[in-house]
Amino acid sequence: NAGVTQTPKFRILKIGQSMTLQCTQDMNHNYMYWYRQDPGMGLKLIYYSVGAGITDKGEVPNGYNVSRSTTEDFPLRLELAAPSQTSVYFCASSPQRGGDQPQHFGDGTRLSIL
Amino acid sequence: RKEVEQDPGPFNVPEGATVAFNCTYSNSASQSFFWYRQDCRKEPKLLMSVYSSGNEDGRFTAQLNRASQYISLLIRDSKLSDSATYLCVGFSGNTGKLIFGQGTTLQVKP
Repeated sequence: NAGVTQTPKFRILKIGQSMTLQCTQDMNHNYMYWYRQDPGMGLKLIYYSVGAGITDKGEVPNGYNVSRSTTEDFPLRLELAAPSQTSVYFCASSPQRGGDQPQHFGDGTRLSIL
Repeated sequence: RKEVEQDPGPFNVPEGATVAFNCTYSNSASQSFFWYRQDCRKEPKLLMSVYSSGNEDGRFTAQLNRASQYISLLIRDSKLSDSATYLCVGFSGNTGKLIFGQGTTLQVKP
């Protein structure tokens, strides 16, 4: 089972460039999430989605955009990359939001902005 | 104050030792709690859920104290393979979101 797949695994961007982090899941989960994790810190929620066509902001949404056109895909877009966005990005999914349902995480995308 | 706080450690213990981690939370509306394990540069994985009655899974025991607003994780007979970062996580029914602590790092040495 593929689970949650993120691409790319690594990327270096220049300040001001844009890019899209891809996330897809094959478990037919309704809920999907994007987190960032800075060194030595816990995960912070950027955006989440409760189903196709529905997205909402998390704790740290500034500088990011998302879309959810299908159940499977939840891409995260950086429009104008800034050094503060250097981080590890994790995508996750769950059949329900939180509760007793564990979130399944992708392997992460390591992004450096120089 | 952070919603979920942990001592970052690191905790350095010999193989076979018993080690305990504590975590405090500030939002009394938080309904559910979990411990996730994260290996270096890898994704977090659910270790166990935490219940007020306490729950045990092999060498791991988790406990929730709602009156004092803290969660604990006890690891008995530590193995080298237990070396990782342990994330305390709370779920708020009000927001429908998971809140992650910064993690506690455990290093088990031979």
